[in-house]
Amino acid sequence: GAGVSQTPSNKVTEKGKYVELRCDPISGHTALYWYRQSLGQGPEFLIYFQGTGAADDSGLPNDRFFAVRPEGSVSTLKIQRTERGDSAVYLCASSDRVGAGNEQFFGPGTRLTVL
Amino acid sequence: AQSVTQLGSHVSVSEGALVLLRCNYSSSVPPYLFWYVQYPNQGLQLLLKYTTGATLVKGINGFEAEFKKSETSFHLTKPSAHMSDAAEYFCAVKGGEAGGFKTIFGAGTRLFVKA
Repeated sequence: GAGVSQTPSNKVTEKGKYVELRCDPISGHTALYWYRQSLGQGPEFLIYFQGTGAADDSGLPNDRFFAVRPEGSVSTLKIQRTERGDSAVYLCASSDRVGAGNEQFFGPGTRLTVL
Repeated sequence: AQSVTQLGSHVSVSEGALVLLRCNYSSSVPPYLFWYVQYPNQGLQLLLKYTTGATLVKGINGFEAEFKKSETSFHLTKPSAHMSDAAEYFCAVKGGEAGGFKTIFGAGTRLFVKA
């Protein structure tokens, strides 16, 4: 079946602009995660959804970052007033149920470049 | 705070040689432990995980890892490296003293395999 998909695959924007990054999880997966991966680093947790609600948003770096999942499926990560330091690969992952030991399936990521 | 340390950002082995990638975690409560692999231009893929039970865990592609609570380690090994093993490897923890489903990744180790 289809895996996790993310669009766009690449996004170039100018400092101060607003961007939206989309994640389509595997059908039926109730849990959805967003991560940010900077060059040479491991993925950094941003936010986790269980269904429609954000169960843990402690990784969002500041109030310029916001994520939604209104129908419990597709999620959008929104970044306002982008800064050059926001440049990174943004990863989305989903898993089929709640549980710390459950496997997360990752999408290919969206590479964001802020000029 | 819970953390993951991967010793060596780069490891180089000859084809057919033993692969050993080191991972240590810090947590007052044993967490769930994972190894992920990231091939160039692909998403992260789960290699193996430890949740409970047997401390020696076997994964895909001939990899295995052993959870050693006394050493707070979860090193990844493979008896004989193959050229196709060249990739970036990430150790990750979930649960533990932090609880919840937030996953913390190490910085990664890039494995090079020489012919």
